[in-house]
Amino acid sequence: DQQVKQNSPSLSVQEGRISILNCDYTNSMFDYFLWYKKYPAEGPTFLISISSIKDKNEDGRFTVFLNKSAKHLSLHIVPSQPGDSAVYFCAARATAAGNKLTFGGGTRVLVKP
Amino acid sequence: DVKVTQSSRYLVKRTGEKVFLECVQDMDHENMFWYRQDPGLGLRLIYFSYDVKMKEKGDIPEGYSVSREKKERFSLILESASTNQTSMYLCASSLIHLRGNQPQHFGDGTRLSIL
Repeated sequence: DQQVKQNSPSLSVQEGRISILNCDYTNSMFDYFLWYKKYPAEGPTFLISISSIKDKNEDGRFTVFLNKSAKHLSLHIVPSQPGDSAVYFCAARATAAGNKLTFGGGTRVLVKP
Repeated sequence: DVKVTQSSRYLVKRTGEKVFLECVQDMDHENMFWYRQDPGLGLRLIYFSYDVKMKEKGDIPEGYSVSREKKERFSLILESASTNQTSMYLCASSLIHLRGNQPQHFGDGTRLSIL
């Protein structure tokens, strides 16, 4: 049973437009959420995170929104750039369980010039 | 910058072999993790360790074991490799969560093929 789901396996967007990536979770104990970006043949790199006490966190072109009642988070990338083409993983943690992360299946983003 | 180094980028082994994957981090992190990544399944946690000589099972520990004799090094062992263990293996490390929200930092992965 997947506790973290990314229902869109892929997303194609025009350069300069907004990319919106979605993630749903089922475990109400999750209280810290992260997004990672992964290029082929490289390890995932940390992008942005949000604690459950917030509903929005922004870092440059990247904004993460958290809707706890819906158990849903999203990552917005504005404006999208060709270098953003990668696989994006959503991850969640329950602090009571230590620093274990549960990952979604990933969304492959392609930004077209 | 945190550096997590995995000893091999690509590895080919035979069914039944004992396989060792090594990972070293240089940031004095307490926590270390081993994941495998398969298409559509994301990253799945195999084992993790909070400290030297400590280990905890993750979500898919069957067929694997780990060793953490030194703080900076975490080894994943495939006791008797099987073809369904062909995958991308990723090592990660982090500070202990009690120091606040700390992201995990990943190595570049080892692509392991079992023939």
